[in-house]
Amino acid sequence: AQSVAQPEDQVNVAEGNPLTVKCTYSVSGNPYLFWYVQYPNRGLQFLLKYITGDNLVKGSYGFEAEFNKSQTSFHLKKPSALVSDSALYFCAVREAGNAGNMLTFGGGTRLMVKP
Amino acid sequence: GAVVSQHPSWVICKSGTSVKIECRSLDFQATTMFWYRQFPKQSLMLMATSNEGSKATYEQGVEKDKFLINHASLTLSTLTVTSAHPEDSSFYICSASGPAREQYFGPGTRLTVT
Repeated sequence: AQSVAQPEDQVNVAEGNPLTVKCTYSVSGNPYLFWYVQYPNRGLQFLLKYITGDNLVKGSYGFEAEFNKSQTSFHLKKPSALVSDSALYFCAVREAGNAGNMLTFGGGTRLMVKP
Repeated sequence: GAVVSQHPSWVICKSGTSVKIECRSLDFQATTMFWYRQFPKQSLMLMATSNEGSKATYEQGVEKDKFLINHASLTLSTLTVTSAHPEDSSFYICSASGPAREQYFGPGTRLTVT
């Protein structure tokens, strides 16, 4: 079984400050990890993914995430937050070799960036 | 590339009627499509997985006779909500997966049942 936890329902940060949105996961084998962003009444937009290789993954809109196998974490980060980054963020995992391609999503974290 | 569309983007229907939502992969062949449901301020809940030409696999607790899924071609899957009730009002999102097994998400369909 695979699962994802996003321990924070909401993260508040001032514009220009660094942001971190936390994610921890659990899978039986090797994980494929994803971050998605959702704006109101819209579908999910892909931000970045970790499959293999460098633990630091860079994605869209200046976001990056660090895969930490020992802590089973994949926290999303950005050095300088923008008001336009305010949205709902989802972490997702699937097990490498999962023939069904099924993603398991975390509960989501709402990011509020204040001017 | 890898664009997934949904139609309609929003729909209002009366209680007791049925409504069909389409999910299309526009520039790739989707061997697998997924249907999710999302309640306000909540995460996505996987409803079912469909493979082209075969019956959908429903998650536990999802009524297959109420949420009919058809994946008739490699670019189209449909979700029909039969005899809709107000509690079926939700945001429905599909995703499509091709040979590379990456999932691409549609923009979602907001269903309101009055």
